[in-house]
Amino acid sequence: GNSVTQMEGPVTLSEEAFLTINCTYTATGYPSLFWYVQYPGEGLQLLLKATKADDKGSNKGFEATYRKETTSFHLEKGSVQVSDSAVYFCALRYSSASKIIFGSGTRLSIRP
Amino acid sequence: DTGVSQDPRHKITKRGQNVTFRCDPISEHNRLYWYRQTLGQGPEFLTYFQNEAQLEKSRLLSDRFSAERPKGSFSTLEIQRTEQGDSAMYLCASRYLADGTGELFFGEGSRLTVL
Repeated sequence: GNSVTQMEGPVTLSEEAFLTINCTYTATGYPSLFWYVQYPGEGLQLLLKATKADDKGSNKGFEATYRKETTSFHLEKGSVQVSDSAVYFCALRYSSASKIIFGSGTRLSIRP
Repeated sequence: DTGVSQDPRHKITKRGQNVTFRCDPISEHNRLYWYRQTLGQGPEFLTYFQNEAQLEKSRLLSDRFSAERPKGSFSTLEIQRTEQGDSAMYLCASRYLADGTGELFFGEGSRLTVL
């Protein structure tokens, strides 16, 4: 079936460090891929997305590239800030009309 | 505020009681989803509606759970004879199907604690 596996947390980094959160997926066909973020006390919100192979999604300094050959969609940021502390969820949608399937989430904490 | 709203935000109940959660989606959104999230896990899909039609239900959704969207606007999720294992955050999300971004807009959730 369709599923998402992401790097377990928590991840703790110092401010301005480089961030990678790994995400791999299993899906039939060509799913769309997403990263959602949940800040403390807030609902989930879309961070970025990619809809086909080799697409790069980007937002707020975060990037992720849809790699079909490795079935991956790793999240990266060159220099993290304290305000990036949140839980990050990798997700996929296997057709435009279907539901979104989420990974288990990675909690990120940034030290000043 | 024109986002997705959920009510109540917190519910504490005793085992065996019935509870109902309400979700008001963004007004023009025709798709409405319910997810459940437990501590340290990602959201698990429960069910979704297109307008008033319930199109899919997860195998996770036992017969104690029922959801409705009677007029294609707000939705309710009822849990009958609650069990301690039902303790979780219940999330509602909505989207407009024809919107090519596919973005789901989430509410802040309704947290259920079953004693």
